[in-house]
Amino acid sequence: EPEVTQTPSHQVTQMGQEVILRCVPISNHLYFYWYRQILGQKVEFLVSFYNNEISEKSEIFDDQFSVERPDGSNFTLKIRSTKLEDSAMYFCASRTSGTDTQYFGPGTRLTVL
Amino acid sequence: AQTVTQSQPEMSVQEAETVTLSCTYDTSENNYYLFWYKQPPSRQMILVIRQEAYKQQNATENRFSVNFQKAAKSFSLKISDSQLGDTAMYFCAFMTNFGNEKLTFGTGTRLTIIP
Repeated sequence: EPEVTQTPSHQVTQMGQEVILRCVPISNHLYFYWYRQILGQKVEFLVSFYNNEISEKSEIFDDQFSVERPDGSNFTLKIRSTKLEDSAMYFCASRTSGTDTQYFGPGTRLTVL
Repeated sequence: AQTVTQSQPEMSVQEAETVTLSCTYDTSENNYYLFWYKQPPSRQMILVIRQEAYKQQNATENRFSVNFQKAAKSFSLKISDSQLGDTAMYFCAFMTNFGNEKLTFGTGTRLTIIP
């Protein structure tokens, strides 16, 4: 069964550094999402992406964040200058057209020191 | 803005018993979708069950079923014949119609199945 995959599973970085989190959505899916979950808290929406542009973004998704679909398979989340409070689990999700169900990847644990 | 409330931070139940997790939500929309996601210790988010608000019939997936009360804005999850593998965090989530795609999650219920 097709799955959403994410790399790396764990990323450790220094405050102020740039990080890129990578996702490979399910191949026939057209809608892509990033969510984050700070340890012990609920999952929060960051951004949705369709047809090579952002559909919606939350207040969390400020100028430090960007998303890109650099090729036909990858979907990336970039944090330009990481802060301590960016430490969280980041989930990628995707869905196909005509359905409402989003399928999640296994997540990337980001630790900012 | 939509909100999702899960009032039970933790629950535990003996293996093979039935457990019900509660979820309430607040919205002014008439058409929307509700989901239960499971997050085991591996922290992957796994879809358990979904419900379309315009359908009166409660969704069922094997041992998992929901009690959807639209007027009360309630969406509880019942797990029958609970198994050790059901131990996980369970998140209730809400989404309006296709034009507004983001999922809004509750704070979760940590469910422990006791052998």
